[in-house]
Amino acid sequence: SAVISQKPSRDICQRGTSLTIQCQVDSQVTMMFWYRQQPGQSLTLIATANQGSEATYESGFVIDKFPISRPNLTFSTLTVSNMSPEDSSIYLCSVFSGTAEEQYFGPGTRLTVT
Amino acid sequence: TQLLEQSPQFLSIQEGENLTVYCNSSSVFSSLQWYRQEPGEGPVLLVTVVTGGEVKKLKRLTFQFGDARKDSSLHITAAQPGDTGLYLCAVRVRDSSYKLIFGSGTRLLVRP
Repeated sequence: SAVISQKPSRDICQRGTSLTIQCQVDSQVTMMFWYRQQPGQSLTLIATANQGSEATYESGFVIDKFPISRPNLTFSTLTVSNMSPEDSSIYLCSVFSGTAEEQYFGPGTRLTVT
Repeated sequence: TQLLEQSPQFLSIQEGENLTVYCNSSSVFSSLQWYRQEPGEGPVLLVTVVTGGEVKKLKRLTFQFGDARKDSSLHITAAQPGDTGLYLCAVRVRDSSYKLIFGSGTRLLVRP
């Protein structure tokens, strides 16, 4: 199994500012993902965080808005840039074990943009 | 267009009642997973179904994978308030990305 922690757990930010969310895993993992969960909704994949190379973004998400870093196999950051109220969501970090077909999720970062 | 459509979107029932949640798609999948998410937490894996027609039981929860591997259902017997949460079906893309795509979700409230 994998234990994932995220910082911050929640934040309230002003529009136009940026917030960087950190994701720390207690073991080395190959596959790391970032999801967004808008209020009352399911999870939408933002991007796959690739170690040592640029992240792979899903349709509707761009690097300028959601830059991602993955400096090693246990850590990643997601930045939400130039925020607007529409960015108010829960952002979740997730890892895939590969061999066990298990996917683990962090507790999420609840972001409110005013 | 959502790859996986879940129904109902929201369900409010009394403790002790039975319920079924559906996950439908027009695509065929090699496997399908069900997750439950509680407030303030990430989703937690409940089960993975792999074979068409497969039925798996987890205490009071029964999961079935459609014969054609396009749909799945989750049946809860004698629901309890602890079953309250967001239920999500999900499938893994079988390319080099291994990304997990979620259904639209079913929010369940079990009233005591």
